[in-house]
Amino acid sequence: DAKTTQPPSMDCAEGRAANLPCNHSTISGNEYVYWYRQIHSQGPQYIIHGLKNNETNEMASLIITEDRKSSTLILPHATLRDTAVYYCIVRVITNDYKLSFGAGTTVTVRA
Amino acid sequence: KAGVTQTPRYLIKTRGQQVTLSCSPISGHRSVSWYQQTPGQGLQFLFEYFSETQRNKGNFPGRFSGRQFSNSRSEMNVSTLELGDSALYLCASSGGLAGGTDTQYFGPGTRLTVL
Repeated sequence: DAKTTQPPSMDCAEGRAANLPCNHSTISGNEYVYWYRQIHSQGPQYIIHGLKNNETNEMASLIITEDRKSSTLILPHATLRDTAVYYCIVRVITNDYKLSFGAGTTVTVRA
Repeated sequence: KAGVTQTPRYLIKTRGQQVTLSCSPISGHRSVSWYQQTPGQGLQFLFEYFSETQRNKGNFPGRFSGRQFSNSRSEMNVSTLELGDSALYLCASSGGLAGGTDTQYFGPGTRLTVL
């Protein structure tokens, strides 16, 4: 799986949009971009994934650049409950189910 | 749909004991993966089961084992516990079929403390 680079931390004001960047410059054509988050001591929570088109669900939006070398996760209206570590990963969907998370971005939402 | 459930949520054991953790996947999911998460090592893959067969395995000693039942529920066992086995053990379920996106959904984890 290709590596990703994320900022170690970022702050966000409650009610504002949080934009989380992720660089994956060595991504291959068959690799998907996945985002998970983990609230302290809980299991990781799936947020969203995409291949090349922008995606939106009830939790967030995923914007992937045209060259697919970077992406941005957007939390449209951050709340205090969105405080968590956010992980961006890229992976090929094969029979190899081994996920590997990097250090992620610690997002702190402030009132 | 109910999510992935894991029992117990917390466990305290002493060195040398053994422990069994249980995971019930999302209904209809046939793949169950197990991970160990520690502050120092991060998320580490233990093994993955599909249709009662171990399909993938990580680099853990033989003290770590698992199995999957016909209803897709899975258990993992750690024998002869060591202090370093203290960790959050996570179970993740997915449909298990490649060829498309197969998202893994995690359970809340079992916090194991070895004294």
